[in-house]
Amino acid sequence: SQQGEEDPQALSIQEGENATMNCSYKTSINNLQWYRQNSGRGLVHLILIRSNEREKHSGRLRVTLDTSKKSSSLLITASRAADTASYFCATKGSSNTGKLIFGQGTTLQVKP
Amino acid sequence: DAGITQSPRHKVTETGTPVTLRCHQTENHRYMYWYRQDPGHGLRLIHYSYGVKDTDKGEVSDGYSVSRSKTEDFLLTLESATSSQTSVYFCAISESGQTTGELFFGEGSRLTVL
Repeated sequence: SQQGEEDPQALSIQEGENATMNCSYKTSINNLQWYRQNSGRGLVHLILIRSNEREKHSGRLRVTLDTSKKSSSLLITASRAADTASYFCATKGSSNTGKLIFGQGTTLQVKP
Repeated sequence: DAGITQSPRHKVTETGTPVTLRCHQTENHRYMYWYRQDPGHGLRLIHYSYGVKDTDKGEVSDGYSVSRSKTEDFLLTLESATSSQTSVYFCAISESGQTTGELFFGEGSRLTVL
């Protein structure tokens, strides 16, 4: 079963609005990462937050992590049509293999 | 963009035939992974490699084998393809699995098994 579960599965907003996606996971983690996938393309790494961090920013992206609730959220502010994509959270356990376990993703549509 | 090339990008085959997908990287990264992506399941790890000739199973490894004879190449083989293996396959690489584990992905290989 997947480690991360995203919510909602699909989100449709207007350009300029904020988009919030949530991710829940089950076991202890080393870090949590967010990836974006444009239609028909590979995944692209967006941001990483370590287990000892609570919030991180990168441009219009804001990620929070609550290890007590085993959850994370990705906020995209002032969304653009180009932000239309699927967004996945992925968790890395404490082992040294580096393998990531992905959730099923949130599909975001930003309407112009 | 990370130097990752997957081949073939598209393949249609028949049930029972062998299929090999190739992932080639020019980044000299130690870790390489094969994932499959299916609607409703997200990305699932098939196999991964943490060095030349060092591989291990992921969560959906049945029906798949891998080989890594050189740092730059990671092959995924379906010995006898089945319709349930119709999917999009992604190769990914990671420089340091021991720290961040950030992955760089290829563009995917779409496999259809008839």
